[in-house]
Amino acid sequence: EVQLVESGGGLVQPGGSLRLSCAASGFTFSSYWMSWVRQAPGKGLEWVANIKQDGSEKYYVDSVKGRFTISRDNAKNSLYLQMNSLRAEDTAVYYCARLTYYDFWSGYRSNDYWGQGTLVTVSS
Amino acid sequence: DIQMTQSPSSLSASVGDRVTITCRASQSISSYLNWYQQKPGKAPKLLIYAASSLQSGVPSRFSGSGSGTDFTLTISSLQPEDFATYYCQQSYSTAETFGQGTKLEIK
Repeated sequence: EVQLVESGGGLVQPGGSLRLSCAASGFTFSSYWMSWVRQAPGKGLEWVANIKQDGSEKYYVDSVKGRFTISRDNAKNSLYLQMNSLRAEDTAVYYCARLTYYDFWSGYRSNDYWGQGTLVTVSS
Repeated sequence: DIQMTQSPSSLSASVGDRVTITCRASQSISSYLNWYQQKPGKAPKLLIYAASSLQSGVPSRFSGSGSGTDFTLTISSLQPEDFATYYCQQSYSTAETFGQGTKLEIK
């Protein structure tokens, strides 16, 4: 059974830092791209970042570029999101999700498994 | 960035109704379109990928269609467990984007 379990959320002051973790199990972690997606309270979903299997490619939404870093440790089956210079607008539930490519050449892909999310609150 | 616009933003329907939700992209995205369902307090669930492919385990009353800029999610006969919020997502660009969501409520 595929499981994704996020941790590391909490209350942080504006300008502060936080590191989220996602522990993966039930599949070969090193074979999959992974994603972070967030959802502000009462709002819709926002894609945050994707990372390739070996970490060699990373993509970010413009609003977090230069502040957030996605990374992974395949030996530990873990995904991370380092968040620096946090702002009030970063307050959200952060979801870790597996990104499955259905056909490498076409590039069709989707987030087929999600964790339960971890809440990050940026407030003084 | 590619903007995704869903309509309607909210919808009231009854059990047994046929419901259609529309998603429009700001530029052509071929068939790089996914649909998700989210219930309150829960993580999103993948329903449809590549515009029209049904994810394993998802009931066949859900279907997706479209290509280019216009897409639809159809629920052929609403069941009580289908009342939720639905999101489209484009995966054409490396910078993925979601629609704003469509909340499906019981009439």
